[in-house]
Amino acid sequence: QKEVEQNSGPLSVPEGAIASLNCTYSDRGSQSFFWYRQYSGKSPELIMSIYSNGDKEDGRFTAQLNKASQYVSLLIRDSQPSDSATYLCAVNGGNQGGKLIFGQGTELSVKP
Amino acid sequence: EAGVAQSPRYKIIEKRQSVAFWCNPISGHATLYWYQQILGQGPKLLIQFQNNGVVDDSQLPKDRFSAERLKGVDSTLKIQPAKLEDSAVYLCASSGWSGDTQYFGPGTRLTVL
Repeated sequence: QKEVEQNSGPLSVPEGAIASLNCTYSDRGSQSFFWYRQYSGKSPELIMSIYSNGDKEDGRFTAQLNKASQYVSLLIRDSQPSDSATYLCAVNGGNQGGKLIFGQGTELSVKP
Repeated sequence: EAGVAQSPRYKIIEKRQSVAFWCNPISGHATLYWYQQILGQGPKLLIQFQNNGVVDDSQLPKDRFSAERLKGVDSTLKIQPAKLEDSAVYLCASSGWSGDTQYFGPGTRLTVL
C-alpha cells in the first residue's frame, strides 16, 4: 500500500464546474496535510494546509480532512483554465518523524 | 522576501559523470530539504537538514549521492557517478522548522545520457 495515494487522473472538468481531488494516507499518526499545485515544468506551490478534522476554505479552494477515514480532499469551485495543473497531496508527521510524504499527483484539466 | 534559490536550472551529463547542485534557502529558515521528482511522480525526500545537521537521509542512495550544509545556510547535493535513472528534477525546499510549511525552489532538471 502506498503511503499517500491520490485518485488517478487526468481529471477533466468544464470551466465553472467544481473539481474534486482526493487523497488517502496510511499513517494514522499523521498530523499535517498539504495540497500543492504544480504547473508543468514548475516547482510545487503550496495552496492549502489543514491540520484538524473538517473543512477549511480559502477563496475558491476548500480542503476537507477526515482523520478517522484517513482521507483528505481538495475542492476547487468555479474552476478556471488557469487551474489546470497537477495537484499534489502531501502528509507530514506521525511515524515519518516530520518528513513530508507526497502522493503521485492528480493532473487536472479545466476545459473552456 | 526572496524565495529559495537553486542552480543550475538545467544540466545534461553522461552516465558515470559527476554533478553538483546548489541551494540557498529562504533567509532564516533552519530546515532544508532535497527532493527528487521523477517525471509523473510526486517528490521524494532525499535528505533533510536542521541547521547543519542531518535529520533524515534514509532515502539517499549513499553510494553515489552526498549532501552537505556546512554553515547551516546554503547546501550542495552531489551525484557521483550518475546513472541513467538519476534523470529527474531535483528540488530544494526550506521551512522555518521541521514540520512547518515547506517552500520550494525552481528545481534543477538533470538529464543523464
